[in-house]
Amino acid sequence: GDSVTQMEGPVTLSEEAFLTINCTYTATGYPSLFWYVQYPGEGLQLLLKATKADDKGSNKGFEATYRKETTSFHLEKGSVQVSDSAVYFCALSAVYGNKLVFGAGTILRVKS
Amino acid sequence: EAGVVQSPRYKIIEKKQPVAFWCNPISGHNTLYWYRQNLGQGPELLIRYENEEAVDDSQLPKDRFSAERLKGVDSTLKIQPAELGDSAVYLCASSLEVPSSGNTIYFGEGSWLTVV
Repeated sequence: GDSVTQMEGPVTLSEEAFLTINCTYTATGYPSLFWYVQYPGEGLQLLLKATKADDKGSNKGFEATYRKETTSFHLEKGSVQVSDSAVYFCALSAVYGNKLVFGAGTILRVKS
Repeated sequence: EAGVVQSPRYKIIEKKQPVAFWCNPISGHNTLYWYRQNLGQGPELLIRYENEEAVDDSQLPKDRFSAERLKGVDSTLKIQPAELGDSAVYLCASSLEVPSSGNTIYFGEGSWLTVV
């Protein structure tokens, strides 16, 4: 079945450091890929998405590129802030379905 | 535009008691989802509705869980009787009807259940 694997956390960085959170997937066909973020005490919010190979999703300084050859969708940000501290979830939506399959989530902690 | 609204936000109950969660999706969204998120894990789908029809309930533990979506708008998820292992966050989400890839799914803030 479809699945998403994320790097384990927590990831602890200093403010202005470079961020990478790895995400790889297994799916039939070419799914759409998403990053959701969950701030403490809040619900899931869509951060960015990509619907086809080589697409780059971006939002709030975060970027991720859909890599079909490596079945990956790694999340990056050039300079993190304390306010980026949250849990980040990678997810896919299969072509034939209409639901999201999530990874386990990666906790990001940014220190000032 | 109002987002997905859920209630209650927090609920603490004793095991074997019943509990119900309510969800109001974004206006115009015909697809509604209930997900369960255990501590430290990603959300997992319990049930998906297209209008009032449950089209994917394969992961719903039907011995104790039930859901309904009368009139294809609001939905209720019920657990009876609750067990200690049901402690989790129950997330409601909605999306537009078209089941194409790339369809954005919007989540509510969740109902946090603790069974003691």
